[in-house]
Amino acid sequence: QKEVEQNSGPLSVPEGAIASLNCTYSDRGSQSFFWYRQYSGKSPELIMFIYSNGDKEDGRFTAQLNKASQYVSLLIRDSQPSDSATYLCAVNTGYSSASKIIFGSGTRLSIRP
Amino acid sequence: NAGVTQTPKFQVLKTGQSMTLQCAQDMNHNSMYWYRQDPGMGLRLIYYSASEGTTDKGEVPNGYNVSRLNKREFSLRLESAAPSQTSVYFCASRTRGGVETQYFGPGTRLLVL
Repeated sequence: QKEVEQNSGPLSVPEGAIASLNCTYSDRGSQSFFWYRQYSGKSPELIMFIYSNGDKEDGRFTAQLNKASQYVSLLIRDSQPSDSATYLCAVNTGYSSASKIIFGSGTRLSIRP
Repeated sequence: NAGVTQTPKFQVLKTGQSMTLQCAQDMNHNSMYWYRQDPGMGLRLIYYSASEGTTDKGEVPNGYNVSRLNKREFSLRLESAAPSQTSVYFCASRTRGGVETQYFGPGTRLLVL
């Protein structure tokens, strides 16, 4: 079992709708969780960081964390064509903020006009 | 403030050749990471360094060595390149505490023939 799992997609969502991306992780000791966006041929860029159970909102993005279920998700409201990218879930495994960060394989999101 | 820089941007090697990928950050971060990304896949951790003078293996360390030369620089060495090491290599550094962010360099595209 991979440490961080994501559905590879592609996930196709109409413009203006809500895109929902999911991620599960295996290490119960994981403390912090990240969502990155990566455009083709570019470096990943951080869009959300969460470490407490519940929801965290930033503009059109909401990250949701459920440590009991080992599940983290990303919601994108009012999806725009510019949101079309690969979204990578990452997990800080272990108890220290100096621990390794492991990535999932990413979900390709396509926003159709 | 250049962030995270990587050299070279692109390299072609023959099987068995060696090379060193260079990475430097000017943000005074303690933690630095090396990842590889293969087509259609997420990032896989090769090695990381939690602080100057320490290095640890990640998910796929075989065939690689690293050196944390000082706080700024973290290099990745391929002693005897193999076609399976054809990939895009990303270096990253990370803040600690507060709003955690992992900053990525632009990547090095490596082709091993």
